[in-house]
Amino acid sequence: KQEVTQIPAALSVPEGENLVLNCSFTDSAIYNLQWFRQDPGKGLTSLLLIQSSQREQTSGRLNASLDKSSGRSTLYIAASQPGDSATYLCAVRNAGGTSYGKLTFGQGTILTVHP
Amino acid sequence: DVKVTQSSRYLVKRTGEKVFLECVQDMDHENMFWYRQDPGLGLRLIYFSYDVKMKEKGDIPEGYSVSREKKERFSLILESASTNQTSMYLCASSFVARFSGNTIYFGEGSWLTVV
Repeated sequence: KQEVTQIPAALSVPEGENLVLNCSFTDSAIYNLQWFRQDPGKGLTSLLLIQSSQREQTSGRLNASLDKSSGRSTLYIAASQPGDSATYLCAVRNAGGTSYGKLTFGQGTILTVHP
Repeated sequence: DVKVTQSSRYLVKRTGEKVFLECVQDMDHENMFWYRQDPGLGLRLIYFSYDVKMKEKGDIPEGYSVSREKKERFSLILESASTNQTSMYLCASSFVARFSGNTIYFGEGSWLTVV
C-alpha cells in the first residue's frame, strides 16, 4: 500500500528565506505527483504537478523536483513571504494495484513565514 | 477556470439523520472523489468514481454511500449520521489517471457537524 511522508511537519522561517519541503513515497508506480496548498478552513489549491516522466516543474517562486526511482520529491520556495503561510500537501496519483487512479496524500507541512 | 462546487459549506445535523453532500464539476471530468480531512489523520479517501454509475470504495467507506447518476455530479450520502462523522469533506475531480498530466481539482470543502 502506498504511503506518503512529509518532512518537516512544521516549519517557521523569517521572511525572505529560501526553503525546502520534502515528500517521500514508498511505491514508485505513480502517474504523477502534485503539490497543493491549503489555507485554514479552505479546500486545496494545486500548485504544481510533475508527471512521472518529468524531473521538475517551476511556477514563479516555486520549483518542484521528482526522483521517482528513489521515491522523493522536494518543493523549493524562493524568497518566502508572509502570504506563503499555509499547509503544503503532496500527493501521488497511483498507477498500480488496488490504489490505481487514486491519490495518496502526505500529512502536510505547516509553514509559517513571519515578517 | 475549472470549478468544483460543493453546495453546502457548513451543515449541522442531528445524530441519525440522513445527510446528502453534493458536488458538481464543470470540466467533463470522468473521475470524481470524496475525501474527509481530520486533524492528525490527514486526507482519507471515502469513495472514488471513475465514470458515471461507477464507484469504488476508498480507505474508509463504512457509514457512507455515493451516487453518480450524471457525469458532472457526485453525491456523498451519510445514511444515518453519527458524531464521529463530524469532519471536513472535500470533493475533487480530474480526467482519467492514465493521462499523467491531469491535475486533480478540489472544491472548497463542506464542514459537517453532527450533534
